[in-house]
Amino acid sequence: EDQVTQSPEALRLQEGESSSLNCSYTVSGLRGLFWYRQDPGKGPEFLFTLYSAGEEKEKERLKATLTKKESFLHITAPKPEDSATYLCAVQAWTLQGGSEKLVFGKGTKLTVNP
Amino acid sequence: EAEVAQSPRYKITEKSQAVAFWCDPISGHATLYWYRQILGQGPELLVQFQDESVVDDSQLPKDRFSAERLKGVDSTLKIQPAELGDSAMYLCASSIRARYGYTFGSGTRLTVV
Repeated sequence: EDQVTQSPEALRLQEGESSSLNCSYTVSGLRGLFWYRQDPGKGPEFLFTLYSAGEEKEKERLKATLTKKESFLHITAPKPEDSATYLCAVQAWTLQGGSEKLVFGKGTKLTVNP
Repeated sequence: EAEVAQSPRYKITEKSQAVAFWCDPISGHATLYWYRQILGQGPELLVQFQDESVVDDSQLPKDRFSAERLKGVDSTLKIQPAELGDSAMYLCASSIRARYGYTFGSGTRLTVV
């Protein structure tokens, strides 16, 4: 069964204090790993897709990396506006119709204090 | 910027009543997904459409949930009868190809009382 585990569940940082969020996964036939940001009461907002081990992508203060077993979302010098829940998802083939569904982790709730 | 439209934004319904949610995907997106997100959890796929056809509904509780996408454009998700455990955020998403990521709507927050 495809599984995605995110840690920590919650993280509090001071503004400017860099850190990393972890996403470990077990999946057969990984097609891609996705990171989303979700603000309270809103739908997830797409950040990155990573397709192969060793790949890295950056956007402003965020950098995502991928290995064969896990992905990291590095946050450099965060600001209060980076406060949100960060969701990791893996895309895998399913037996039913070969659909490319996303399987999500529970997310890491990040709070950045000024 | 193109958006996935969902309505209503909030819905409160009594147990055993029927409820329906509507989704209009980004124009040209052939694939449409309905996800359910319980508070504090990640989204879970309920049903996936490719055009008007269901591709994956393995996690859809078919005794009470139904989904359709007539003409392969907008979609409706229905629950009848609603149960207390159905309280959650119902998210619709669309994509050109799943490989390039989904665009989610703002969701419908359902509360069953």
